[in-house]
Amino acid sequence: GAGVSQSPSNKVTEKGKDVELRCDPISGHTALYWYRQRLGQGLEFLIYFQGNSAPDKSGLPSDRFSAERTGESVSTLTIQRTQQEDSAVYLCASSLRSAGGPGDTQYFGPGTRLTVL
Amino acid sequence: AQSVTQLDSQVPVFEEAPVELRCNYSSSVSVYLFWYVQYPNQGLQLLLKYLSGSTLVKGINGFEAEFNKSQTSFHLRKPSVHISDTAEYFCAVSSTGGFKTIFGAGTRLFVKA
Repeated sequence: GAGVSQSPSNKVTEKGKDVELRCDPISGHTALYWYRQRLGQGLEFLIYFQGNSAPDKSGLPSDRFSAERTGESVSTLTIQRTQQEDSAVYLCASSLRSAGGPGDTQYFGPGTRLTVL
Repeated sequence: AQSVTQLDSQVPVFEEAPVELRCNYSSSVSVYLFWYVQYPNQGLQLLLKYLSGSTLVKGINGFEAEFNKSQTSFHLRKPSVHISDTAEYFCAVSSTGGFKTIFGAGTRLFVKA
């Protein structure tokens, strides 16, 4: 079946512009994660959605970052007034939140490479 | 809070040689442990995970990892690597009571002919 998809695959923007990144999770997956991966670094947790529960936004680095998800479908990550330090690959993952809970396997999308000039 | 340290940023190895990628974690609570792999130009995928039970976990492509609670380690091993194993490998940890997954910085494995 279809995996997690993300769009765009690449985004180049000017400092100060707003950008919107999209994630389509695997159908039926109730949990959705956003991560940021800076060059040469590990994945940095940003935000987590689980079903209709309130998202955990504890990883968002500033109030310029926000994310939404409608039900158990598409999610968008918005970065306002982009800065050069926002340049990174933004990864989305989804999981089927089973009784195993936190041990669920996350399925990752290919990522969006954001470059802020 | 949890943290993950991958001790080697790059590991070069010849084809058919054994390899060990090291991972140490820090946590005050019980954890689940994961290894993910990212092949060139592909997304991350799960290699293996430890949830409970046997401390030796076998994953895809002949990889295995051993959970050592006393040493807080979860090293990844393969007895004989192939060129196709060239990739970046990420160790990750989450608490058994939560969902947030903390990833290490990654280890880039280069397999040479």
